[in-house]
Amino acid sequence: ETVLTQSPGTLSLSPGERATLSCRASQSVAINYLAWYQQKPGQAPRLLIYGASSRATGIPDRFSGSGSGTDFTLTISRLEPEDFAVYYCQQYGNSHTFGQGTKLEIK
Amino acid sequence: EVQLVESGGGLVQPGGSLRLSCAASGLTVSSNYMSWVRQAPGKGLEWVSVIYSGGTIYYADSVKGRFTISRDNSKNTLYLQMNSLRPEDTAVYYCARSPFDQYFDYWGQGTLVSVSS
Repeated sequence: ETVLTQSPGTLSLSPGERATLSCRASQSVAINYLAWYQQKPGQAPRLLIYGASSRATGIPDRFSGSGSGTDFTLTISRLEPEDFAVYYCQQYGNSHTFGQGTKLEIK
Repeated sequence: EVQLVESGGGLVQPGGSLRLSCAASGLTVSSNYMSWVRQAPGKGLEWVSVIYSGGTIYYADSVKGRFTISRDNSKNTLYLQMNSLRPEDTAVYYCARSPFDQYFDYWGQGTLVSVSS
């Protein structure tokens, strides 16, 4: 099983700042089969990024994904108030596993 | 517009059974790869099962032999039959579309399953 470890566990930032979230895999993720999701309290997850760097439909361009192999990053260039949420990475190259999440909170 | 609406959750005793439904509109269940994903209270996400458009089925090891995924093409509905339920199965269960069994792009609102005596 491919274990995904996200860091940091909690990230405290202010609106307008840049957020960098990390996702590290225990083994190389095949063909960059990695996705990112945003989840707000009481809501279902929302797909942001797939294929490590492709934005899903309707996702603002302030969200970007990068990385390959075992190290992946989600960057939010300028935080908007609605971006504060929990973010999960998911690999789908070897069945499906999710990271434990990074909580992005308002500083 | 794609809508996925889950139902069938509730409180059940350990060892009991429950069947979840996911009614779809805006997409055809039988033409898509459809999955169930769960989230224990305050915890992260866990993939449970997938059914391919061609009928191939896979399960997570944690539910294999106890859960059964299926679909009713005439009702455009996805199901998850859950037997021999355990307290650790307590979670919100989401149905989701998973193109070619990859990421999950459309999600329902979820239905809560609580397993407790």
